[in-house]
Amino acid sequence: AQSVSQHNHHVILSEAASLELGCNYSYGGTVNLFWYVQYPGQHLQLLLKYFSGDPLVKGIKGFEAEFIKSKFSFNLRKPSVQWSDTAEYFCAVILSGGYNKLIFGAGTRLAVHP
Amino acid sequence: ETGVTQSPTHLIKTRGQQVTLRCSSQSGHNTVSWYQQALGQGPQFIFQYYREEENGRGNFPPRFSGLQFPNYSSELNVNALELDDSALYLCASSLSGTTDSPLHFGNGTRLTVT
Repeated sequence: AQSVSQHNHHVILSEAASLELGCNYSYGGTVNLFWYVQYPGQHLQLLLKYFSGDPLVKGIKGFEAEFIKSKFSFNLRKPSVQWSDTAEYFCAVILSGGYNKLIFGAGTRLAVHP
Repeated sequence: ETGVTQSPTHLIKTRGQQVTLRCSSQSGHNTVSWYQQALGQGPQFIFQYYREEENGRGNFPPRFSGLQFPNYSSELNVNALELDDSALYLCASSLSGTTDSPLHFGNGTRLTVT
């Protein structure tokens, strides 16, 4: 069965530190890849997505992610985090060509300290 | 544009009871998906409705059922509630049911089964 693994459940950083959140998926076919963010008390929001083309995608709020097909990975990065980035981050995939069924990872809870 | 709205926000039920959760999709969206998010886990796909018909289902038993109405709003019904049904239930709408149509999530309904 298809699955998504996020390597870290909790990450604690100081402001201005660099961030990288790992995401791997298990599926040999074509996938669409997403990162969603859930700020405290808010709904899930799309951070960025990859469908095809340049494997380095840029999203909102200075986030970016790199799709490495050979490693089945889609890691999220930000060069310098802010306190306002404190949130839970979810990696998700959709099997291309099917219906809109997102398969989510378990999430990474990020806490940024001032 | 109005976003995805869900009601109620919180609900407490007793094991064996039935529950109905409601979702109004974002304006212009004809597809609604439901997800269950248990504590500490990522959302899991329950099913998707496109133009009033179920067109995709995850690994949930038949006591999880749904409806989509002509205005594209939707209901999730759960019969014979079990303790493990305690979770956050998320509704998401999209412009279409295809994989290139981003999902827009509501804030969820938190169901507690005692």
